[in-house]
Amino acid sequence: SYELTQPLSVSVALGQTARITCGGNNIGSKNVHWYQQKPGQAPVLVIYRDSNRPSGIPERFSGSNSGNTATLTISRAQAGDEADYYCQVWDSSTAVFGGGTKLTVL
Amino acid sequence: QLQLQESGPGLVKPSETLSLTCTVSGGSISSSSYYWGWIRQPPGKGLEWIGSIYYSGSTYYNPSLKSRVTISVDTSKNQFSLKLSSVTAADTAVYYCARGDLYSGSPLDYWGQGTLVTVSS
Repeated sequence: SYELTQPLSVSVALGQTARITCGGNNIGSKNVHWYQQKPGQAPVLVIYRDSNRPSGIPERFSGSNSGNTATLTISRAQAGDEADYYCQVWDSSTAVFGGGTKLTVL
Repeated sequence: QLQLQESGPGLVKPSETLSLTCTVSGGSISSSSYYWGWIRQPPGKGLEWIGSIYYSGSTYYNPSLKSRVTISVDTSKNQFSLKLSSVTAADTAVYYCARGDLYSGSPLDYWGQGTLVTVSS
């Protein structure tokens, strides 16, 4: 079965750029989606199909995907960005989630 | 604005069947542009996809749960449902229903608020 690997945690200083990676075998050939989940809340889609932002998501959120790694980039990090982030792909009609990364804004 | 709302028992006994319903408002569940799915999250853990159902009626399930899961749709009520049989404590989780967009690479773009289901005698 397909697996996605994310770092357990990432820290970023307020106002700086955070990068959260999602590793998978030839993930560059798949569409990667990213979700933000704050404590006690449902996940929210922040990036779809590698690099597209849904309406209402700030331009500070961007994504890229190539080779074996997809990356979610959060520019000018704010305290409100502190959350868990999950990547997700489809593999053989099965949805696969990464294990999640806890972003801490210092 | 599309809204999804999960409903069902918050407590299920071991070996019994967990049954949840997701009511969709603000949009039609019969649209061919979308699919509908269930995802769960055990306390303190990550997201796990359970399965999805498409306009055609086709269903796809997580291989690890496939033998115990059934997802169905009731278009007359604009609802879709989840049944998970032979539950154990390991099935204790927050269960989310969500909509998937087939024309954007199939992300899950709208989620319900989630409902906690505890498996305990």
